[in-house]
Amino acid sequence: DADVTQTPRNRITKTGKRIMLECSQTKGHDRMYWYRQDPGLGLRLIYYSFDVKDINKGEISDGYSVSRQAQAKFSLSLESAIPNQTALYFCATSALWQDNNEQFFGPGTRLTVL
Amino acid sequence: GQNIDQPTEMTATEGAIVQINCTYQTSGFNGLFWYQQHAGEAPTFLSYNVLDGLEEKGRFSSFLSRSKGYSYLLLKELQMKDSASYLCAVLDSNYQLIWGAGTKLIIKP
Repeated sequence: DADVTQTPRNRITKTGKRIMLECSQTKGHDRMYWYRQDPGLGLRLIYYSFDVKDINKGEISDGYSVSRQAQAKFSLSLESAIPNQTALYFCATSALWQDNNEQFFGPGTRLTVL
Repeated sequence: GQNIDQPTEMTATEGAIVQINCTYQTSGFNGLFWYQQHAGEAPTFLSYNVLDGLEEKGRFSSFLSRSKGYSYLLLKELQMKDSASYLCAVLDSNYQLIWGAGTKLIIKP
């Protein structure tokens, strides 16, 4: 079983629609992250959370919001989707107690906004 | 600003050795990571360097020089399955990962 799961894996939607991407993890990690990846660009951090009551904006948070419903769940919402939010979205987790701060990634959600 | 540079694409031959370079300028430094990413898949961890020097793990090795803001990933005995993108990332002073755009490695028979 995968340790970090994302749903849906693929989504096509229209401009202006509200979209939620969900991430769940069974690793027991306290830290969770949302990234987007665009061709030719590095992974860019959208939001991150170091525990359930901690939410922080990343490099490109405009147009996105998040919810940390439980230690194991971290959701990303696009309140009103626009075409330039078409990208591959990854959720990742890490643990405070890890010496190397390694991040573990989910399989990704490919989002297309028409 | 923060910046991570690595070559966009490299080509190598099966069985050979390839070195992928990464230079960085970041706000603070708490370690450098290399990840492998096959097309359409999630990145997977390869290595972590926080002190200067060479870390060896099987066919893969990673080197770090903090004074030069430089790292490289060395892949030996290349196999076709090594065709992938290799991502360099630095953990900055806020413990956020800053990512390079990745190096696409093409392996030819």
